[in-house]
Amino acid sequence: GDSVTQMEGPVTLSEEAFLTINCTYTATGYPSLFWYVQYPGEGLQLLLKATKADDKGSNKGFEATYRKETTSFHLEKGSVQVSDSAVYFCALSDRGRDDKIIFGKGTRLHILP
Amino acid sequence: GAGVSQSPRYKVAKRGQDVALRCDPISGHVSLFWYQQALGQGPEFLTYFQNEAQLDKSGLPSDRFFAERPEGSVSTLKIQRTQQEDSAVYLCASSQPGVGTNTEAFFGQGTRLTVV
Repeated sequence: GDSVTQMEGPVTLSEEAFLTINCTYTATGYPSLFWYVQYPGEGLQLLLKATKADDKGSNKGFEATYRKETTSFHLEKGSVQVSDSAVYFCALSDRGRDDKIIFGKGTRLHILP
Repeated sequence: GAGVSQSPRYKVAKRGQDVALRCDPISGHVSLFWYQQALGQGPEFLTYFQNEAQLDKSGLPSDRFFAERPEGSVSTLKIQRTQQEDSAVYLCASSQPGVGTNTEAFFGQGTRLTVV
């Protein structure tokens, strides 16, 4: 079945460092891809998404590009802030079937001041 | 309210007890999802409704789990004869159809169930 694999955490970086969180997927159809974020004490929020190959999703300085050839959707940010500390989930939705969203296990990010 | 509301926020149940978890989706949202999130893991899909129709229940882990949405709005997830492995955060999300294209799923804060 469809699945998402993302790098395990925790990831600890200093403020202003460059961030990459790797994500790869397996899908039988042509999925849409997402990054969700869960800040401490809050619910899951959509961070960004991409619906077709070579699309780049971006929000709050984060970016991810839909790479069909490598089945990847890596999350990047050029300069992280303490406020980016959270758990990040890569996810997919196979539009050909239903709206079910399948999540990776999550990557906890700690940013040190 | 403006968002997805879940109640209770916390529930402690004795092993063998039945529990009912409630989800109030965003008004007018057609689609409703339930997920189970174990500690340190990603959300695992349980079931999906479109209006009152349960279109996918492939993620329900056993016949002790039952979900309903009788009038196409509020949904209840019921767990019978709770076991310790049922301890998790149960998340509800709602959206308009088309999550993969032009809509967004909005998540509630979840119900943390602890079975003792």
